[in-house]
Amino acid sequence: KNQVEQSPQSLIILEGKNCTLQCNYTVSPFSNLRWYKQDTGRGPVSLTIMTFSENTKSNGRYTATLDADTKQSSLHITASQLSDSASYICVVSARGFQKLVFGTGTRLLVSP
Amino acid sequence: NAGVTQTPKFQVLKTGQSMTLQCAQDMNHEYMSWYRQDPGMGLRLIHYSVGAGITDQGEVPNGYNVSRSTTEDFPLRLLSAAPSQTSVYFCASSYSITGGVSYTFGSGTRLTVV
Repeated sequence: KNQVEQSPQSLIILEGKNCTLQCNYTVSPFSNLRWYKQDTGRGPVSLTIMTFSENTKSNGRYTATLDADTKQSSLHITASQLSDSASYICVVSARGFQKLVFGTGTRLLVSP
Repeated sequence: NAGVTQTPKFQVLKTGQSMTLQCAQDMNHEYMSWYRQDPGMGLRLIHYSVGAGITDQGEVPNGYNVSRSTTEDFPLRLLSAAPSQTSVYFCASSYSITGGVSYTFGSGTRLTVV
């Protein structure tokens, strides 16, 4: 069964600190993996997207990594800001399938 | 360029009432889809469309109807609202089925059925 699992479910960090969010998936055959940021009351917004051949991609202070062999991805946030408080959702698509598989997200709270 | 626009942002319905959630995109995307988001669960696909006149069911289609008469619009209809349909609904569009960088979400409609 195609699944995406994220950890931790929630996380609180102090402003300025770094953090890493994890995503494990069983989606096959793999097409791409993306990370979304969802602010409270808003729709998800794409941060990064990686295909099978890519193992790292950055978007400002956000860096995503992908290990297609172990089917794991991580999202590293550097020098966190209050505006980073949001849910971060890992999404995987499979080749030949007409839908995306969503994780349940990690809720991040950056505290002053 | 507004992207994906959803209306209304909030709605309260009584059990048994019907309504239509509107979704419009101005990016000339062929693929559009509707998701619902419930606490503790990932977004789940309700219905999707790969182009005008073509729609198909997602993983949770029961109680919902869709149509796609134009490329721009993809309304979602609740025929007889039930409390189990209380959720936040997101519309998304992209150039292709699995999207890539073009996959864009609307800001959502929060629906409460009492």
